[in-house]
Amino acid sequence: SQQGEEDPQALSIQEGENATMNCSYKTSINNLQWYRQNSGRGLVHLILIRSNEREKHSGRLRVTLDTSKKSSSLLITASRAADTASYFCATVPGGALTFGSGTRLQVQP
Amino acid sequence: DTGVSQDPRHKITKRGQNVTFRCDPISEHNRLYWYRQTLGQGPEFLTYFQNEAQLEKSRLLSDRFSAERPKGSFSTLEIQRTEQGDSAMYLCASSRPGAPQETQYFGPGTRLLVL
Repeated sequence: SQQGEEDPQALSIQEGENATMNCSYKTSINNLQWYRQNSGRGLVHLILIRSNEREKHSGRLRVTLDTSKKSSSLLITASRAADTASYFCATVPGGALTFGSGTRLQVQP
Repeated sequence: DTGVSQDPRHKITKRGQNVTFRCDPISEHNRLYWYRQTLGQGPEFLTYFQNEAQLEKSRLLSDRFSAERPKGSFSTLEIQRTEQGDSAMYLCASSRPGAPQETQYFGPGTRLLVL
């Protein structure tokens, strides 16, 4: 079963615009992670936010976490065509990561 | 390139055949994970090892699936009597010691097609 659910399922924007993706999860967590996957490839870790953190930045990425609402958001600022990929949130309710179904981001040049 | 390698990258087989995939994790990582991903979905956990011990198996891992990590380094995932529903991307990931809930590093995956 999927622990996290991303919203929207698909997002198409123009280069230079910001992209926001949301994730909701069901159980309590120690941390929440965001991963990126280019078409047909493996996943790449982007950023981890701990349950006692509310916001975290890494380059053009900004992640927020609201544990009371069991939700997180990923903001990509000044998007580039190379940001085109699927983005997944993942939590660890057990021993391994549990992923949502992802947001497919298309950045038009 | 994360440093995790998988072989083969693609596999086409006929229903009923057995297939075996290999994963080589980052050398100092003691945890190794297998996931399965179908089109349009996120990865689903199958099993994981700490060193050579298999610590957890998902209900997705039917009796036809077996995974090993004999020396705590590389791992193999075997699927016996493949079915068309086994067609998916099989992903391997590893993580470093002492941080079970931290970052996992994924390989490029093995894409399996069962005809």
